[in-house]
Amino acid sequence: SSELTQDPAVSVALGQTVRITCQGDSLRSYYASWYQQKPGQAPVLVIYGKNNRPSGIPDRFSGSSSGNTASLTITGAQAEDEADYYCNSRDSSGNHPNVVFGGGTKLTVL
Amino acid sequence: QVQLQQWGAGLLKPSETLSLTCAVYGGSFSGYYWSWIRQPPGKGLEWIGEINHSGSTNYNPSLKSRVTISVDTSKNQFSLKLSSVTAADTAVYYCARGLSGGGGYSGYDYYYYYYMDVWGKGTTVTVSS
Repeated sequence: SSELTQDPAVSVALGQTVRITCQGDSLRSYYASWYQQKPGQAPVLVIYGKNNRPSGIPDRFSGSSSGNTASLTITGAQAEDEADYYCNSRDSSGNHPNVVFGGGTKLTVL
Repeated sequence: QVQLQQWGAGLLKPSETLSLTCAVYGGSFSGYYWSWIRQPPGKGLEWIGEINHSGSTNYNPSLKSRVTISVDTSKNQFSLKLSSVTAADTAVYYCARGLSGGGGYSGYDYYYYYYMDVWGKGTTVTVSS
């Protein structure tokens, strides 16, 4: 089955722009979705589809995709954006479709 | 506003069966995929499996032999059973609502979408003798 690969950790200076990437074969046919998870809390969807934000998600969060790589960009990172970020997609490469998550990226805002 | 409320036993002994239930409030049960996801302490998210309103299931191949997900549409509930648990099954278990469909063309390539937009609060399950 397909896997999704993320960098374990990324840091960004307050107010600067950061890109978190996710690679995997399933991303050639599925848009990645992105989740933010803060300690002790359930994940929260921040980006889905081509580049869609659920209600309540700030517009500094955006998504893009090219080939087997999806990216989550935070433009003007804030202190409250410090969290773990996970990418996710469906994988239809095998006999039965399943769902895969990336290993997660810990974002530190300096 | 759709909400998921989950419950189940939080402490199990090795070889026992984990059993969790998730109830869907405030929204339709049909047209979605209802998933279970877990997160071991200090680790990432792992998808366990999913079911739709008609009872069609998909499971993570690494857990398939021990997992059963079922649905009770009369109660808008779905459940997880994981048999023969060990300490490695200690985790926070989440239920979530998934949506999947055609996302359209981006350039010459056609893309689909899948995402989980509503999550339960999580249930901590500890396996210890």
